[in-house]
Amino acid sequence: DAGITQSPRHKVTETGTPVTLRCHQTENHRYMYWYRQDPGHGLRLIHYSYGVKDTDKGEVSDGYSVSRSKTEDFLLTLESATSSQTSVYFCAISSGETQYFGPGTRLLVL
Amino acid sequence: QKEVEQDPGPLSVPEGAIVSLNCTYSNSAFQYFMWYRQYSRKGPELLMYTYSSGNKEDGRFTAQVDKSSKYISLFIRDSQPSDSATYLCAMSGQGGSEKLVFGKGTKLTVNP
Repeated sequence: DAGITQSPRHKVTETGTPVTLRCHQTENHRYMYWYRQDPGHGLRLIHYSYGVKDTDKGEVSDGYSVSRSKTEDFLLTLESATSSQTSVYFCAISSGETQYFGPGTRLLVL
Repeated sequence: QKEVEQDPGPLSVPEGAIVSLNCTYSNSAFQYFMWYRQYSRKGPELLMYTYSSGNKEDGRFTAQVDKSSKYISLFIRDSQPSDSATYLCAMSGQGGSEKLVFGKGTKLTVNP
């Protein structure tokens, strides 16, 4: 599993509330990524990081922000959750020429 | 035209069959090609990785890349019920530090 953990693994929240998802890695990888996976859309990149405090947007970044204050942690924040953000969220790290994924967080926004 | 096209299936085969999964792509800059396997309610797991054209074999799995046709394949020999999963193709131009472009996945069921 490339030493990646995500927390929480499941979360139910209400529209309009802030939500923070955490990705933690144990192997000191520089690149980290947040994806969401939805039926009919596959995996889509939200944000990624190429170092501490260095982040950039992916293809579906609206409504999301990220932070990386330590190499091992990459946080994804939904400032004000909406029902369209109900999804499964995956964190990934880059190792060599490819990426390895965490176990995912299932988020339901009511 | 989407950058990566993958038939979503579903694909259902009997145990022992040879399975062929495919993706086509439009960006000729892609050089790194990956196949991920994703079991239900789990994260994607890297199955095969290939650089540029050619074949790569790992046990019952063979990955093929034909850059001239912009076509990649994953073959599974002697398929097993434990191979039942969704298979995602992914590719990039410069390796893992660059953003990957994914197909939408093909759902495979191998029936005992």
